[in-house]
Amino acid sequence: SAVISQKPSRDICQRGTSLTIQCQVDSQVTMMFWYRQQPGQSLTLIATANQGSEATYESGFVIDKFPISRPNLTFSTLTVSNMSPEDSSIYLCSVEEGTGSSYNEQFFGPGTRLTVL
Amino acid sequence: GDSVTQMEGPVTLSEEAFLTINCTYTATGYPSLFWYVQYPGEGLQLLLKATKADDKGSNKGFEATYRKETTSFHLEKGSVQVSDSAVYFCALSDLWGAQKLVFGQGTRLTINP
Repeated sequence: SAVISQKPSRDICQRGTSLTIQCQVDSQVTMMFWYRQQPGQSLTLIATANQGSEATYESGFVIDKFPISRPNLTFSTLTVSNMSPEDSSIYLCSVEEGTGSSYNEQFFGPGTRLTVL
Repeated sequence: GDSVTQMEGPVTLSEEAFLTINCTYTATGYPSLFWYVQYPGEGLQLLLKATKADDKGSNKGFEATYRKETTSFHLEKGSVQVSDSAVYFCALSDLWGAQKLVFGQGTRLTINP
């Protein structure tokens, strides 16, 4: 299975600033996803990032607030822009990978815990 | 849109008790269903999955059966251990593969010795 790392693992930021989260995978993958897990809540998909194309955002999420880059098949970044305390969450990167059967699985990174003051 | 509803938590049980965590879903197509687990301080891990009706997913003593007639995917384990303490998420994907997962709200399980 894919091994996924994220940087930073956690950060405390001031209101109005921006933070870029990095996601690195140890193998080439086509599809990468970014999720948000607000305190005590479930995971919500922010966007799907495919290499070579614009990210596709879910309802309620916009590119100006959460710009995403996907420069190659092993790396992606998510920026949380103009942060407010409501952006305090865990942000998770995930990838879809084949498992040798006809079915692909989604593997998750360890997450980035963001606190906005 | 698609949605997943899990039983309210937190759930606290004694070791060796029987566990059921209920999960029901709403989907327009024929989704694949998953249970993910998040152990304290760790990332999200796939626990088990079922890709079509009547499939039973199983792993680490946990089981869940895809019931299309009741749109359910309840998680069960016959005898829980302290090490099973974690947050459990039910999820679905309405596309082939594991794309665009829709998660339930999560159920925090605590097992006391």
